[in-house]
Amino acid sequence: EPEVTQTPSHQVTQMGQEVILRCVPISNHLYFYWYRQILGQKVEFLVSFYNNEISEKSEIFDDQFSVERPDGSNFTLKIRSTKLEDSAMYFCASTTRADGTDTQYFGPGTRLTVL
Amino acid sequence: AQTVTQSQPEMSVQEAETVTLSCTYDTSESNYYLFWYKQPPSRQMILVIRQEAYKQQNATENRFSVNFQKAAKSFSLKISDSQLGDTAMYFCAHTPNAGNMLTFGGGTRLMVKP
Repeated sequence: EPEVTQTPSHQVTQMGQEVILRCVPISNHLYFYWYRQILGQKVEFLVSFYNNEISEKSEIFDDQFSVERPDGSNFTLKIRSTKLEDSAMYFCASTTRADGTDTQYFGPGTRLTVL
Repeated sequence: AQTVTQSQPEMSVQEAETVTLSCTYDTSESNYYLFWYKQPPSRQMILVIRQEAYKQQNATENRFSVNFQKAAKSFSLKISDSQLGDTAMYFCAHTPNAGNMLTFGGGTRLMVKP
């Protein structure tokens, strides 16, 4: 069964450093998302991406964040200058309308720790 | 804006028994999709069950079923014959349609006791 994959599983970085989180969505999916979950809190939407552009973003997704689909398979989230409060689990998800279910399938997550 | 509320932060159930997790939501859309996701200690988000709002029939998936009350904007999850592996955080979520963000509730931590 196809699945969303994410790398790395755990990233440790120093405050102020740039990080890139990588995702490979399910191959026939058209809509891609990033969510984050600070430990012990609810899952929060960051950004959605369709047709090579951002379709929606939350207040969390400020100028420090960017997304890119550099090729036909990868979908990346870049944080330019990490802050302590960026420490969280970051989930990539993807979906298609083709099956009519609009179900978002999640990757296993990347745990980001900012020191 | 959509909101999703899970009023039970924690619940416990004996193995083999039945438990119901509550979820209410608010939306102005007439059609939308509702989901329950399970998050075990590994923190992966696993789809449990989904419901399309235009379908009156409640979704079922093996031991998992929902009670969808559209007028009341309620979407509860029933787990029958609870198993130890059901121990996890459960999140209710809503989306108007494909391409839109999921809005999650705050989660219910379920503990299945032997």
